[in-house]
Amino acid sequence: KQEVTQIPAALSVPEGENLVLNCSFTDSAIYNLQWFRQDPGKGLTSLLLIQSSQREQTSGRLNASLDKSSGRSTLYIAASQPGDSATYLCAVGDNYGQNFVFGPGTRLSVLP
Amino acid sequence: EAGVAQSPRYKIIEKRQSVAFWCNPISGHATLYWYQQILGQGPKLLIQFQNNGVVDDSQLPKDRFSAERLKGVDSTLKIQPAKLEDSAVYLCASRPVAGLYEQYFGPGTRLTVT
Repeated sequence: KQEVTQIPAALSVPEGENLVLNCSFTDSAIYNLQWFRQDPGKGLTSLLLIQSSQREQTSGRLNASLDKSSGRSTLYIAASQPGDSATYLCAVGDNYGQNFVFGPGTRLSVLP
Repeated sequence: EAGVAQSPRYKIIEKRQSVAFWCNPISGHATLYWYQQILGQGPKLLIQFQNNGVVDDSQLPKDRFSAERLKGVDSTLKIQPAKLEDSAVYLCASRPVAGLYEQYFGPGTRLTVT
């Protein structure tokens, strides 16, 4: 059974810092991996989707990498801003991408 | 393009009462998911539909939860009777088909059971 963990559970950084969020999964036979952002009281917003054949994806200040063999993905946020404050979740897609298993999330606070 | 719509946004009920949630996915999306998100945790899949057929309902507590997707479009999730531990946010998501495509989430329904 796939299990997904995220470290750290919470992170507080000053504005402008570059930071890395980690996602680990136990079964490396994944189909894809998706990073989401969740603002308080809101649904999930998709940030990046990485297929299992890819090593990384980039969107603006965000870069997500995937290392299937080690069961890890990282989300790199460059030049963090207070507007980046949210909970970041990773979700591992298996079973040919039929369904996703989510991690518990990392709660990020970027201080002005 | 309109996003995934859900209603109601908030619901407060007493235990043993029943409640229903509604989801309208993005037009043309064949796959629809219902997730339960307990405070401080990631979403947990309850049920997945492909058009109007159930693909996976292995984590749906079938003694109290039911879901349907009529005509492969809108979906409803029902809880009867509700328990205190059902207090959570219920999220609906859709995608064109499974596989390569990302999921799109609605705003969720926050359920409080007292």
